[in-house]
Amino acid sequence: DTGVSQNPRHKITKRGQNVTFRCDPISEHNRLYWYRQTLGQGPEFLTYFQNEAQLEKSRLLSDRFSAERPKGSFSTLEIQRTEQGDSAMYLCASSGGTEAFFGQGTRLTVV
Amino acid sequence: QKEVEQDPGPLSVPEGAIVSLNCTYSNSAFQYFMWYRQYSRKGPELLMYTYSSGNKEDGRFTAQVDKSSKYISLFIRDSQPSDSATYLCAMRPGNTPLVFGKGTRLSVIA
Repeated sequence: DTGVSQNPRHKITKRGQNVTFRCDPISEHNRLYWYRQTLGQGPEFLTYFQNEAQLEKSRLLSDRFSAERPKGSFSTLEIQRTEQGDSAMYLCASSGGTEAFFGQGTRLTVV
Repeated sequence: QKEVEQDPGPLSVPEGAIVSLNCTYSNSAFQYFMWYRQYSRKGPELLMYTYSSGNKEDGRFTAQVDKSSKYISLFIRDSQPSDSATYLCAMRPGNTPLVFGKGTRLSVIA
């Protein structure tokens, strides 16, 4: 499969725990985006990378959120000290030009 | 006012109908316009993209952009029950992240 891959697909965690999600983009794509989507809403932009450089991170929801793309390939999104309001679908997309292709998302439930 | 406005629906149509989905936007700098389809609990799937104004057709789908009115449309001809999904419009000025509408939930009834 050559699409965008996200793991895990589902994550249930207790409030206060840290979680990390992984995104493997389409191999030749140099841009990688993270979005969050809540029920009944469109995806909300969080941050993005061009190769290993993080070009925008001011839209991360709080300082509990961080993302990395250490070698310009896969990326991780970490949420520290999770809160119930963090429950959402976290989507990753990659792009090698005009079009952006999404993965299947990681659904986070904070209990 | 949000940058991209999209009526969330739900929209329910009989099988075979022509469906019209629309978005309006406020940022005149938007140049790239996309339509995604999202099935329940899945990631968005890119259907079509258009650069600047004009029409683009792909099978049963036609995308239209009217930059003078800041209005974009997606038409689905001969709609099928398998078209039942949420349709998201998205757009961006240049090489920047996409801004999405809320999505319109469509049901095509057999």
